[in-house]
Amino acid sequence: GQNIDQPTEMTATEGAIVQINCTYQTSGFNGLFWYQQHAGEAPTFLSYNVLDGLEEKGRFSSFLSRSKGYSYLLLKELQMKDSASYLCAVSYSNDYKLSFGAGTTVTVRA
Amino acid sequence: DADVTQTPRNRITKTGKRIMLECSQTKGHDRMYWYRQDPGLGLRLIYYSFDVKDINKGEISDGYSVSRQAQAKFSLSLESAIPNQTALYFCATSDLLGNEQFFGPGTRLTVL
Repeated sequence: GQNIDQPTEMTATEGAIVQINCTYQTSGFNGLFWYQQHAGEAPTFLSYNVLDGLEEKGRFSSFLSRSKGYSYLLLKELQMKDSASYLCAVSYSNDYKLSFGAGTTVTVRA
Repeated sequence: DADVTQTPRNRITKTGKRIMLECSQTKGHDRMYWYRQDPGLGLRLIYYSFDVKDINKGEISDGYSVSRQAQAKFSLSLESAIPNQTALYFCATSDLLGNEQFFGPGTRLTVL
């Protein structure tokens, strides 16, 4: 594998902010994706980072540092429907395969 | 209508049986993928195909085979199912740029 590491679980309160970190091997890096997956459902695309910096899309933002092999997904103004697993995935060497982390289960509490 | 469909959605079978999982897509994508998902392990790539004449093994291809019958169809077969192949299986597609993969709804397979 490509040693894509992310925390297993996180819990936060409705309305709060949660940051999910992801680290990966930098050799051959092509791009990084974040997917959301509700239990028993298909993963759905959230964001794609190929250059350093922050990409903002509504309540969700994703950050990338290619030199550090580091990304985070920031979820703001948490809602109960945000309770899900968040998958970090990396594309290497332009072959368009994705290597996935094990996912971070986020639980939003009232 | 869903862009990526999988059949069956659920299947229970016995050890030693041959099983085929089917995937169809209407997105017009050339690239198709099969993954399995197990608790705590994330998604792992079984096979992938970049066009009708191209088939490639992923990281966990042992015990599986695939067929790309057409641009829109990619089937996964378990020639002789075993209990540790019990998992959630996803098909996915992407275009030539590969910037995003679109996933089917999944097939939950149980091998007894």
